[in-house]
Amino acid sequence: EVQLLESGGGLVQSGGSLRLSCAVSAFTYAMSWVRQPPGKGLEWVSSISATGDSTYYADSVKGRFTISRDTSKSTMYLQMNSLRAEDTAVYFCARAFHIATYGTFDIWGRGTMVTVSS
Amino acid sequence: EIVLTQSPATLSLSPGERATLSCRASQSVRNYLAWYQQKPGQAPRLLIYDVSNRATGIPARFSGSGSGTDFTLTISSLEPEDFAVYYCHQRSDWPLTFGGGTKVEIK
Repeated sequence: EVQLLESGGGLVQSGGSLRLSCAVSAFTYAMSWVRQPPGKGLEWVSSISATGDSTYYADSVKGRFTISRDTSKSTMYLQMNSLRAEDTAVYFCARAFHIATYGTFDIWGRGTMVTVSS
Repeated sequence: EIVLTQSPATLSLSPGERATLSCRASQSVRNYLAWYQQKPGQAPRLLIYDVSNRATGIPARFSGSGSGTDFTLTISSLEPEDFAVYYCHQRSDWPLTFGGGTKVEIK
C-alpha cells in the first residue's frame, strides 16, 4: 500500500522560508501539493512529473515556491520562500491516480500545518 | 483558469435520503472531472474519477454523471458516514482547480 508522509510544517514569520517534505513509498507517478486554509476549501499549489523534468505552479505561489523530487530518497519537496499570511494552510502531498496524468489524486498524505505570522 | 462552481453550498438531509450535488465548470473540462469526500481533520478521499468511475473501495451508492460543463454526484441513500464535505476537481487544464465544496449535513 502506497503511503505519503509530509513533514516540515511550522510557524514562520512573514517573509520567511520553510521546506516541506513528502516521503513516498512508491515514487513512479506525478506528485502534487494541495493546500487548505483553516476552514476553507482545497487549492492546488504545484505539481511535478514522475521524472522531475516538468513542474507547474499556481499563480499565487509562482516565483516564491519551488517543487522538486529526489528519486534516491523517494521524497518530494516544496521550498517556500517570501511567505505571506495568506499561505497559512494545511499542506497535503498527493499522488496522481494514473501514471499518464498529473491531476486527480488517489493517495493523500495527512497534511502538515504551515502558519505564517504577520 | 477553469472555475468550478458547486451547488448547493449546504445540503441538509436525513439518513436514507438521496443526495444530489452539482458542479458547473466555466468551460468544458472534457471528462476530466473528479469528486472527493473530506471529513473534519482528514485528507480528502477520491470517490469518482473521470466523471463516472468509482475509485477503489468506493460503495456503489456513490455515482457520478455529466459531461462538458455540468456534472452531478449522487449518493443514492445516505449512510451516517456520508455526512461530510464534497469537492469536485478538474484536471483538464492548468491550473488544476477545485470547486468550493458542498457540505452534506444531517437534517
